[in-house]
Amino acid sequence: GNSVTQMEGPVTLSEEAFLTINCTYTATGYPSLFWYVQYPGEGLQLLLKATKADDKGSNKGFEATYRKETTSFHLEKGSVQVSDSAVYFCALQRQGGSEKLVFGKGTKLTVNP
Amino acid sequence: GAGVSQSPSNKVTEKGKDVELRCDPISGHTALYWYRQSLGQGLEFLIYFQGNSAPDKSGLPSDRFSAERTGGSVSTLTIQRTQQEDSAVYLCASSLVPGSYNEQFFGPGTRLTVL
Repeated sequence: GNSVTQMEGPVTLSEEAFLTINCTYTATGYPSLFWYVQYPGEGLQLLLKATKADDKGSNKGFEATYRKETTSFHLEKGSVQVSDSAVYFCALQRQGGSEKLVFGKGTKLTVNP
Repeated sequence: GAGVSQSPSNKVTEKGKDVELRCDPISGHTALYWYRQSLGQGLEFLIYFQGNSAPDKSGLPSDRFSAERTGGSVSTLTIQRTQQEDSAVYLCASSLVPGSYNEQFFGPGTRLTVL
């Protein structure tokens, strides 16, 4: 079946550090890939997405590249801020059918000043 | 415009009681999804509506769970004879139509605690 595996947290970084959160997936066909973010006390919101191989999604300084050969979609940011502290979820969506999202277990990021 | 809203925001109930959770999607969104977020299982899909029909109920964990959607808008998730393992945050999402080109917008969730 379809599944997403992302690195276990929590991750604690100092401000301006480099961030990588690893995400790999298992799916038949060619899914779309997403990163969602949940800030403290807020709802889940889309951070970025990529719909085909070699696509790069980017938003708010975050980037992730859809790598079909390694079935990965790692999230990166060159210089994190305190305001980036949140829980990050990697997800996939297969085309056709219900288009439901399949999520990883989430990675909690804390950025200290 | 208004986002996805859910009510109640918190619900505490006793084991064995029935509960109803409500979702108001974004106006005009035809696709509606229910997910559950729990400590042990992460974020799991429960059910999908297209209009008032539910073509994918594959995520409902047992026959104690049911959902309906009326008027192509409001949806209610009902859990009968609640158990402690039902404690979780129940999230609703909607999108204009199904598909990865149409973002799923999430509500704030209902936190259910079964004592």
